[in-house]
Amino acid sequence: ETGVTQSPTHLIKTRGQQVTLRCSSQSGHNTVSWYQQALGQGPQFIFQYYREEENGRGNFPPRFSGLQFPNYSSELNVNALELDDSALYLCASSLLGGETQYFGPGTRLLVL
Amino acid sequence: TQLLEQSPQFLSIQEGENLTVYCNSSSVFSSLQWYRQEPGEGPVLLVTVVTGGEVKKLKRLTFQFGDARKDSSLHITAAQPGDTGLYLCAAPSGSSNTGKLIFGQGTTLQVKP
Repeated sequence: ETGVTQSPTHLIKTRGQQVTLRCSSQSGHNTVSWYQQALGQGPQFIFQYYREEENGRGNFPPRFSGLQFPNYSSELNVNALELDDSALYLCASSLLGGETQYFGPGTRLLVL
Repeated sequence: TQLLEQSPQFLSIQEGENLTVYCNSSSVFSSLQWYRQEPGEGPVLLVTVVTGGEVKKLKRLTFQFGDARKDSSLHITAAQPGDTGLYLCAAPSGSSNTGKLIFGQGTTLQVKP
């Protein structure tokens, strides 16, 4: 059984650029959730995808968008990057309504 | 707005000491989870508590859910350097089908040999 994987592991961008982060869900899981974790803070929910549709969104602006593919993998896109977007971005997979979410190792994004 | 407040934020202790981490809220939750996160990794689920007053044990870790399901505690007995990490409490927010977890800000634990 393959766990949740994310790519890239680290990324440096400049303000105003766009970034795409990728996540492969754990085998058998149909739901992917994305979280942003600022340094020294707990993760904050960005959104969840189920059956290729957004299924719940946290308090993040529209420049944060996502996709889910038929194989349940997912992308997080962030446009017009701001300095405050610097954080660890975590992807978690689960079954819809499942009690447990399994987190990937995250992508560390630095915006200069 | 549902919030989870953890205390303390930082804890540095010697190997063999006991400690307790608290997670409090003014909201009632259907369940509460505790995670441990190590540098460069994602959070790993330790336990889920569901029933008010429930106590669960995982080796030297004891987790308790408050009677009113608004708070929880994590107690570690005889801490070891391998317990070092960021401890997070989390709870589902809104409809459980949205998968939205709200997290506390975390407690960073350092256990010195």
